[in-house]
Amino acid sequence: KQEVTQIPAALSVPEGENLVLNCSFTDSAIYNLQWFRQDPGKGLTSLLLIQSSQREQTSGRLNASLDKSSGRSTLYIAASQPGDSATYLCAVKYGQNFVFGPGTRLSVLP
Amino acid sequence: DAGVIQSPRHEVTEMGQEVTLRCKPISGHNSLFWYRQTMMRGLELLIYFNNNVPIDDSGMPEDRFSAKMPNASFSTLKIQPSEPRDSAVYFCASSSVHDSTPLYEQYFGPGTRLTVT
Repeated sequence: KQEVTQIPAALSVPEGENLVLNCSFTDSAIYNLQWFRQDPGKGLTSLLLIQSSQREQTSGRLNASLDKSSGRSTLYIAASQPGDSATYLCAVKYGQNFVFGPGTRLSVLP
Repeated sequence: DAGVIQSPRHEVTEMGQEVTLRCKPISGHNSLFWYRQTMMRGLELLIYFNNNVPIDDSGMPEDRFSAKMPNASFSTLKIQPSEPRDSAVYFCASSSVHDSTPLYEQYFGPGTRLTVT
């Protein structure tokens, strides 16, 4: 069964800290992996997409890495800000299927 | 571009009633996805279309659920009859998928919050 897990489930950090969110998947035969953020009561906003042939993608203060062999992806957020507070979800594409992780709820305290 | 548009944003209905959710994908996108999000089960893919054709509907929970995409700019998700356990947020997402750039990067709409009493 293709499963995606994320740890930690919740994280609270003071402003300015660098932090890492983790995503694990059981089946390494992925097509791509996408990181999203979701604000309360809102839809999902795409942050980064990594193709299966890529190792990492960067956008501003965000960096996502992919290690297919170990079934892991990490989302690194540099110099966190209160505006980064949201739930972060990773989604893995397998063939025709998309499997989402449960998310990590991040709170950045001013 | 206005992004993915969904309507209504909120729907409250009684058990047994028919519910129709609507989605307008981003112009030019040729793939459309319907998801359901609940606290218990997280985000689940219900069905997705490519070039208006349903590709995978294995996530549709029951025959009470049906989805259509009559043209490239409109899709509906219908629940008939609705039940309280259908209460969830339903998201529509779209993506541009072509042979030369098969990214499948998804863009989500704001969702429809459905409450069935």
